[in-house]
Amino acid sequence: NAGVTQTPKFRILKIGQSMTLQCTQDMNHNYMYWYRQDPGMGLKLIYYSVGAGITDKGEVPNGYNVSRSTTEDFPLRLELAAPSQTSVYFCASSYLAEQFFGPGTRLTVL
Amino acid sequence: DQQVKQNSPSLSVQEGRISILNCDYTNSMFDYFLWYKKYPAEGPTFLISISSIKDKNEDGRFTVFLNKSAKHLSLHIVPSQPGDSAVYFCAASRGGSGTYKYIFGTGTRLKVLA
Repeated sequence: NAGVTQTPKFRILKIGQSMTLQCTQDMNHNYMYWYRQDPGMGLKLIYYSVGAGITDKGEVPNGYNVSRSTTEDFPLRLELAAPSQTSVYFCASSYLAEQFFGPGTRLTVL
Repeated sequence: DQQVKQNSPSLSVQEGRISILNCDYTNSMFDYFLWYKKYPAEGPTFLISISSIKDKNEDGRFTVFLNKSAKHLSLHIVPSQPGDSAVYFCAASRGGSGTYKYIFGTGTRLKVLA
């Protein structure tokens, strides 16, 4: 049981580039989430999904897109990277209240 | 507007003593609260939760207390161990345990001194 896996672990992007952060869970959880954590701050919810084909915005969705074509995968897309998107990104999944987090992707936009 | 606040960025405690981490919230509609622990370069891991119908929940060395009238919760760790050194986040939600949208505090870094 791998739990929640995220790739890549680190990435440096130039302003205006695009990329997809991958997230996969093997626990058959319906709920999946993307968070970002800026230095000295708590986690902010970007997008979430309550099941395959259903996604919705969280607190800070601007500049991001998501899709949920399968129960297992929940990729996060950055279309035009900006320095403000420099952060650590965490994916999580849950059955009910307890969310299981991946190890994170550290993204730097220069 | 920060709805969940952890006003102490850091806390140092001697091994074997009690660690008390505090969390305040402003939204009276919050009815489910969780504590997460985070080590560097890892994702947060769930520690303990409490529903607003309770005022205390225990799990081993960890106890969470909820004071609804004060909109305050606290996590007690007894006895504290060096392996407890981590950042602790509280999170709050509306809609009970079946919800999926949490507001996180900014975290408290706990250092347990051997």
